[in-house]
Amino acid sequence: ILNVEQSPQSLHVQEGDSTNFTCSFPSSNFYALHWYRWETAKSPEALFVMTLNGDEKKKGRISATLNTKEGYSYLYIKGSQPEDSATYLCASQNTGNQFYFGTGTSLTVIP
Amino acid sequence: DSGVTQTPKHLITATGQRVTLRCSPRSGDLSVYWYQQSLDQGLQFLIQYYNGEERAKGNILERFSAQQFPDLHSELNLSSLELGDSALYFCASSVEPTAFRETQYFGPGTRLLVL
Repeated sequence: ILNVEQSPQSLHVQEGDSTNFTCSFPSSNFYALHWYRWETAKSPEALFVMTLNGDEKKKGRISATLNTKEGYSYLYIKGSQPEDSATYLCASQNTGNQFYFGTGTSLTVIP
Repeated sequence: DSGVTQTPKHLITATGQRVTLRCSPRSGDLSVYWYQQSLDQGLQFLIQYYNGEERAKGNILERFSAQQFPDLHSELNLSSLELGDSALYFCASSVEPTAFRETQYFGPGTRLLVL
């Protein structure tokens, strides 16, 4: 069983601060790394899919990087806004097409 | 709205019973994934179907089964229900079987409560 870990578990930042969180995953049989944004009472919403070592993806103020050799991915949010408050989930997809999710980082942006 | 629909939204049943959860993928998506989120665990991958065939299996119990029909909708059957099966069940869809270039789009979920 793959063990995907995310840190920190929760985070409170002031509006305007930049922040980042980590997703670590076993690098064996790795295929892709997915990031999701999950707001309370809604469904997970896809942010990024990354597959290659060194991949970087960006969507507005949110970006992510991937290191498959050491088994980690970072998610960065620049200039956090209250609407960024959500749980950020990562999932590792293996070559058998199974998905293993972390428990998420809960972000609260204080106005 | 992701375009993925799930019914019912809520379901309350008793231990030992059997229920069927239904998912309709986004138009054009061939792949359907099922996930379970219970209170004490994170999101758990159960099973994936692509164009009617099982593609990948995760932590799905033997009491659970799924299928994908020719019109691409999918059903997750949960039988001999136990209290611990109470959870939020999500369905997600994608175009390609490995969700490589396109990621998964999640439905709103079915909340199951087993009493």
